[in-house]
Amino acid sequence: EAQVTQNPRYLITVTGKKLTVTCSQNMNHEYMSWYRQDPGLGLRQIYYSMNVEVTDKGDVPEGYKVSRKEKRNFPLILESPSPNQTSLYFCASSPQGADGYTFGSGTRLTVV
Amino acid sequence: ELKVEQNPLFLSMQEGKNYTIYCNYSTTSDRLYWYRQDPGKSLESLFVLLSNGAVKQEGRLMASLDTKARLSTLHITAAVHDLSATYFCAVDPPKLVFGQGTRLTINP
Repeated sequence: EAQVTQNPRYLITVTGKKLTVTCSQNMNHEYMSWYRQDPGLGLRQIYYSMNVEVTDKGDVPEGYKVSRKEKRNFPLILESPSPNQTSLYFCASSPQGADGYTFGSGTRLTVV
Repeated sequence: ELKVEQNPLFLSMQEGKNYTIYCNYSTTSDRLYWYRQDPGKSLESLFVLLSNGAVKQEGRLMASLDTKARLSTLHITAAVHDLSATYFCAVDPPKLVFGQGTRLTINP
């Protein structure tokens, strides 16, 4: 089944403890991206990647890192999480947009 | 900077009625997407509109795109309760920018 898989689905962590949210797609898509969704602020892009080893900042990159060492994986790294990074996170992939974007199931992150 | 605006943001309607959600965007683009999101769930792709004049229909939903007016509409025909959800439009390139979402509630 064609899909974007995110893990974990839910995560509660403490301020400053490094964490990684994984994202993997099995559709051979070139484009992958991360979004966060917050009440009243909608969906905002964090980082995106046009292909392997090519990443760029979205609208809200502060406090996040990404890497794209292989086509299928695009992990989101929070080196020192803070409570303002509590949010619902989505990973998405696309064959450069022509067929739209496929979203993962989401990761609900709480930083206390 | 690309901005995408939806209206209305909240819509409560009766079953059986028709209504339209509007999506305006600020810069030239030939690609527009509609998504549905149920509470606590991911985004489900509804329509991909790739050219001026594109019209797509699925069940009681129909979406259209006017690139000259920078406007897309999502029309709901004879609404049913199962269509209650939040609907987003989004535009690219170079990056995907979302509208604020329209929370649709359909009452029996």
